[in-house]
Amino acid sequence: EPEVTQTPSHQVTQMGQEVILRCVPISNHLYFYWYRQILGQKVEFLVSFYNNEISEKSEIFDDQFSVERPDGSNFTLKIRSTKLEDSAMYFCASDVAGELFFGEGSRLTVL
Amino acid sequence: EDKVVQSPLSLVVHEGDTVTLNCSYEVTNFRSLLWYKQEKKAPTFLFMLTSSGIEKKSGRLSSILDKKELFSILNITATQTGDSAVYLCAVEAPPKVNDMRFGAGTRLTVKP
Repeated sequence: EPEVTQTPSHQVTQMGQEVILRCVPISNHLYFYWYRQILGQKVEFLVSFYNNEISEKSEIFDDQFSVERPDGSNFTLKIRSTKLEDSAMYFCASDVAGELFFGEGSRLTVL
Repeated sequence: EDKVVQSPLSLVVHEGDTVTLNCSYEVTNFRSLLWYKQEKKAPTFLFMLTSSGIEKKSGRLSSILDKKELFSILNITATQTGDSAVYLCAVEAPPKVNDMRFGAGTRLTVKP
């Protein structure tokens, strides 16, 4: 069964460092998303991406965040200068007919 | 402000029990409501509901939407320990078509 894959599964980084989280969405899907879930809290929308551009973003998705689809298969989330409060599980998802399929997530720990 | 509220936040039952999880919402332009099951990591899709009163069923799980009273329920009959998970409700509300609002989830624990 096709699935969304994410790497790395866990990354530990120092505050202020740049982090890139990678995702390979399901191949025939057209919409891609990043969500995050801080430990013990609800899943929060970050950004959606369609036709090689951001279609929507939340207030969480500030100038420190960026997304790219550099090669037609990978979908990346970059955090330029990580803060302690960026520690969370980051989920990539892709969409067909309203059903989101989530990746297993990348746990980011910022020290 | 759009809101998705789930209740209860936590539920502990024994195998064989039936549970009902609730999700109420307040959004400006409702499009669909989705239920997800989250075990260790990624949420997995359960149901998408768009029309009122039509029950969706998958094995021991079923769900229904009431667009007049703005809520949905997820029923699980004959619960098993493998049903232990966090159940998430999410609502799609245009014009923010791609911004799904998630509730905080209901943590279900099924004891043997």
